[in-house]
Amino acid sequence: DAKTTQPTSMDCAEGRAANLPCNHSTISGNEYVYWYRQIHSQGPQYIIHGLKNNETNEMASLIITEDRKSSTLILPHATLRDTAVYYCIVRVTIGGGSQGNLIFGKGTKLSVKP
Amino acid sequence: AAGVIQSPRHLIKEKRETATLKCYPIPRHDTVYWYQQGPGQDPQFLISFYEKMQSDKGSIPDRFSAQQFSDYHSELNMSSLELGDSALYFCASTQGAGTNIQYFGAGTRLSVL
Repeated sequence: DAKTTQPTSMDCAEGRAANLPCNHSTISGNEYVYWYRQIHSQGPQYIIHGLKNNETNEMASLIITEDRKSSTLILPHATLRDTAVYYCIVRVTIGGGSQGNLIFGKGTKLSVKP
Repeated sequence: AAGVIQSPRHLIKEKRETATLKCYPIPRHDTVYWYQQGPGQDPQFLISFYEKMQSDKGSIPDRFSAQQFSDYHSELNMSSLELGDSALYFCASTQGAGTNIQYFGAGTRLSVL
């Protein structure tokens, strides 16, 4: 499985966009980029995933570079409730021949400040 | 919408005792994953089940066992508990093996004294 590299921590002002980078330079062609977050001691929460096209949902946007070696999760208007550890995970999805368990790396601790 | 239910939410045990954690997946989800998260650590995969069969195994100690029942709920059995087993235990469910949109429960906090 490809490994990911994320900054240890980031700060963001409330109401501003939070841009969380992730490097996955060894990603394979059939591997997707998934983002989860964990608010203090709660169960991890799925945010978004993508293969090569940019994706947007009600929570966030995912921008994947053309060479797929890095991506950025964007929270357009961060709130205090977005303070959490954000995990970038690279995995195959259905039919990819790999088991479905998630491998959590260190993640980025995002602190949204008033 | 119904979510993943874990019970109990908190559990306190003594060393060498046994513990059973339960997980009730989202309705119509047939796959369950168990994760362990020690203090200050990231979640680590333990074991998973798809259609009541073990589908993958991670860093689960031999003292631990798990199964998935006909109603798709799962139980994680932990014996000869050690201080190092103190952790948050999360269960996640999906529909179909290999699907990586996993929905997590609130977790069980196990404290071994």
